Amino acid sequence: AQSVTQPDIHITVSEGASLELRCNYSYGATPYLFWYVQSPGQGLQLLLKYFSGDTLVQGIKGFEAEFKRSQSSFNLRKPSVHWSDAAEYFCAVGSPTGGGKLIFGQGTELSVKP
Amino acid sequence: DADVTQTPRNRITKTGKRIMLECSQTKGHDRMYWYRQDPGLGLRLIYYSFDVKDINKGEISDGYSVSRQAQAKFSLSLESAIPNQTALYFCATSDPQGDSYNEQFFGPGTRLTVL
Repeated sequence: AQSVTQPDIHITVSEGASLELRCNYSYGATPYLFWYVQSPGQGLQLLLKYFSGDTLVQGIKGFEAEFKRSQSSFNLRKPSVHWSDAAEYFCAVGSPTGGGKLIFGQGTELSVKP
Repeated sequence: DADVTQTPRNRITKTGKRIMLECSQTKGHDRMYWYRQDPGLGLRLIYYSFDVKDINKGEISDGYSVSRQAQAKFSLSLESAIPNQTALYFCATSDPQGDSYNEQFFGPGTRLTVL
């Protein structure tokens, strides 16, 4: 069965520092991979997605993620964090045969120190 | 105007009451989903619908029912609410065509508290 693990429940970084949020998945074939962000009181907004091709994908707000098949990972990165990036981040996996369903990780809450 | 709307945005109810959460979308998508979000558990799928006549149970459907009144409307009901159904509920839509396959678009959420 598909599953997604985000090992870090809460991360705090200083403004201007780099960020990496971890995501590991379990799936038998190449999955579709997503990162969503949830700002306080808001719904989920798609940051980026990977279906195939180049394993380094660029998203909105300066985020990028790299698909590493050998490590079953899809980690999210940003070179310089802004205070407005404080939010909860969710990794999700879908499949070509999954009928559009997504499996979400537990989420990582990001706090940004001034 | 928002593409996916949910009403109400906040609701407090009592144990045993029937409650309905509504979702409407203007994206023209056939597929709609209901999730609940609990701290530390992420989002879990309650029900999903691929079209008006196709409704399917998700991971945690017990205690919930749904109705797909039209392509644009998908309602979630709690027939007899209980306190452990206190959560944040999200509706989402998706279009299975082309590059957007699997990408889901979310409403703003409904915060439900069952006392």
